Amino acid sequence: DTVLTQSPALAVSPGERVTISCRASESVSTGMHWYQQKPGQQPKLLIYGASNLESGVPARFSGSGSGTDFTLTIDPVEADDTATYFCQQSWNDPTFGGGTKLELK
Amino acid sequence: QVQLKESGPGLVQPSETLSLTCTVSGFSLTSYSVSWVRQPSGKGPEWMGRMWYDGDTAYNSALKSRLSISRDTSKNQVFLKMNSLQTDDTGTYYCTRDGTTTGVMDAWGQGASVTVSS
Repeated sequence: DTVLTQSPALAVSPGERVTISCRASESVSTGMHWYQQKPGQQPKLLIYGASNLESGVPARFSGSGSGTDFTLTIDPVEADDTATYFCQQSWNDPTFGGGTKLELK
Repeated sequence: QVQLKESGPGLVQPSETLSLTCTVSGFSLTSYSVSWVRQPSGKGPEWMGRMWYDGDTAYNSALKSRLSISRDTSKNQVFLKMNSLQTDDTGTYYCTRDGTTTGVMDAWGQGASVTVSS
């Protein structure tokens, strides 16, 4: 299985720029996607194909990377962005990262 | 409007079989694939398997021996059955729609909470 590794938590102030990273144990080309999950809710697709913004998602969210290293950027961060962010690869049978919990100071 | 809704028992006895139904609306099961994903509390999601739009299936190799996914297109439903449940199968079970790009889960149900306990 392709293992995806994320840092467990980040804390930033509103208005700042935050980058959330995801590293794959093997190359997944651009088959990487990002989801946002708020407490008690289902995950919501933000970015697909490493850098494509899902319809209806604010342009403050962007994604980059290919191969094994990927980044989700939120700029500027807003209070409503408090959530856990998961990466997921689809190059092989789908696997998810453990999630990065974003907290606002 | 694309919608998915999971239904099934919230409590399952150890060693018993879990049966869940995903009822979809706003899209056709013969045009889009549907995956099952589960998530233990406080952990990352785990892909369980997929019902392809053409009726074929794919399973997570770790669950394949216990898992079966089927569908009824006339009722817009996808079914999950998993046997020999243990306590570490406790979690929230989601059905998701694979978007136009395979493996991108562009819509999720609200989830069904499943507890495995005697």
